[in-house]
Amino acid sequence: DTGVSQDPRHKITKRGQNVTFRCDPISEHNRLYWYRQTLGQGPEFLTYFQNEAQLEKSRLLSDRFSAERPKGSFSTLEIQRTEQGDSAMYLCASSPSGRPAGGYTFGSGTRLTVV
Amino acid sequence: DAKTTQPPSMDCAEGRAANLPCNHSTISGNEYVYWYRQIHSQGPQYIIHGLKNNETNEMASLIITEDRKSSTLILPHATLRDTAVYYCIVDGVGTSGSRLTFGEGTQLTVNP
Repeated sequence: DTGVSQDPRHKITKRGQNVTFRCDPISEHNRLYWYRQTLGQGPEFLTYFQNEAQLEKSRLLSDRFSAERPKGSFSTLEIQRTEQGDSAMYLCASSPSGRPAGGYTFGSGTRLTVV
Repeated sequence: DAKTTQPPSMDCAEGRAANLPCNHSTISGNEYVYWYRQIHSQGPQYIIHGLKNNETNEMASLIITEDRKSSTLILPHATLRDTAVYYCIVDGVGTSGSRLTFGEGTQLTVNP
């Protein structure tokens, strides 16, 4: 297992377009998290899945954002009608149940630029 | 989750110990202290965590004060590759999932 994979690494899109990001967690991890990080700030929580169930959503996740995790494996994060304020690094993390001995494992992120 | 306070930046000479402080004066009894670091353009990387005892692993040591209101992350022999932003996080809900709350962290610069 090569860790948490995110695709694409970089995405440039025009304002108003829809974008979709993919995250492949570590295979035995049943928890998956999405975070957003803007320049100079720490990551901010967006949403969390346990298996296929979306258990928590941040108020940052407006109605233009939707996340899915079909079959409890990979996850997708879609942003509709992108705005310049959506430009950020989108990070995915996964963990097993309970308090993981090795913490949460993060991917390298997808950097979104809205022009 | 309790709030943490860290200095915005620190410098360290290569080969010397780097001691990164964190204040978490409102920590409650079931909350753990986690440390992550983020090297430029990468995702955060887990370093270490603890509840009340000092902890050591291959990356670092974590010293938690007896009253648990502050902690120090120690990198015993800092290298240039340890240059990163270091985040101290207090997490009380790890056993049931949910989020980590990151602050702005400490930018550690290791100088040759």
